[in-house]
Amino acid sequence: ELKVEQNPLFLSMQEGKNYTIYCNYSTTSDRLYWYRQDPGKSLESLFVLLSNGAVKQEGRLMASLDTKARLSTLHITAAVHDLSATYFCAGTNTGNQFYFGTGTSLTVIP
Amino acid sequence: EAGVAQSPRYKIIEKRQSVAFWCNPISGHATLYWYQQILGQGPKLLIQFQNNGVVDDSQLPKDRFSAERLKGVDSTLKIQPAKLEDSAVYLCASSRDRGTGTQYFGPGTRLTVL
Repeated sequence: ELKVEQNPLFLSMQEGKNYTIYCNYSTTSDRLYWYRQDPGKSLESLFVLLSNGAVKQEGRLMASLDTKARLSTLHITAAVHDLSATYFCAGTNTGNQFYFGTGTSLTVIP
Repeated sequence: EAGVAQSPRYKIIEKRQSVAFWCNPISGHATLYWYQQILGQGPKLLIQFQNNGVVDDSQLPKDRFSAERLKGVDSTLKIQPAKLEDSAVYLCASSRDRGTGTQYFGPGTRLTVL
C-alpha cells in the first residue's frame, strides 16, 4: 500500500505571502496528483505530474515532483483569499490504485 | 461537456438499513471510481472499474458493500446493512482511461447513518 503524507495539515497565511505544502509518499509512484476541495464541495483536479522533475504552474500555484526523494511540493505565490481550500495530493501504485493524503487545510487571511 | 452526475446528494438512514448510490460518468470515460471520504480525511478508493470490469476492489468491505457497472456506463454502489461508521461522503469519479488518469469527480452523496 502506498502511504501518502502531507504537511502541514493546517496552514493559515496572510495574503501576499508565499508558502509550500509538502507531499511525501512511501513507495514508487508512477504519477502524482494535486486536487483542491472547497468546503462542502467535490474535488477539482489541479495538476498531474508524470515524471521526475516535472513542474507545472497555474496562476499562483506551482507543483513539482522529485521521484528520487519521493516528494512533491505545491508552492503558493502571493496568496489571495480565493485560494482558501483543502489541498490533497494523491499517488498511484503500479496497479493504478489511487492513495490520497490527509489534506492540507489552507486559510488565507486578509 | 457534462460532468459526473451522482444521486442522491444526501441520504439519512438508520443502521442496518440498506442504501444505494448512483453515478453517471462523463461520456466516453472508460474508468470509473468510487471513493469514501470520511469527514476530515482524504478520499479512500473503494472500487475501480475499467469499462464494466472490476480492476481493483481490495479496499471494498465486501461483506456489506457491493458495486456494479452495467454496460460500462452508469454504476451503483450499495451498502447492506449500513453501520454507523459508514457515515461519509461517497464520491464517484471518472477518467478517460487508466493511463494519464486525470479524474473528474462528481458532487458526492453525503450519507448519515443514525
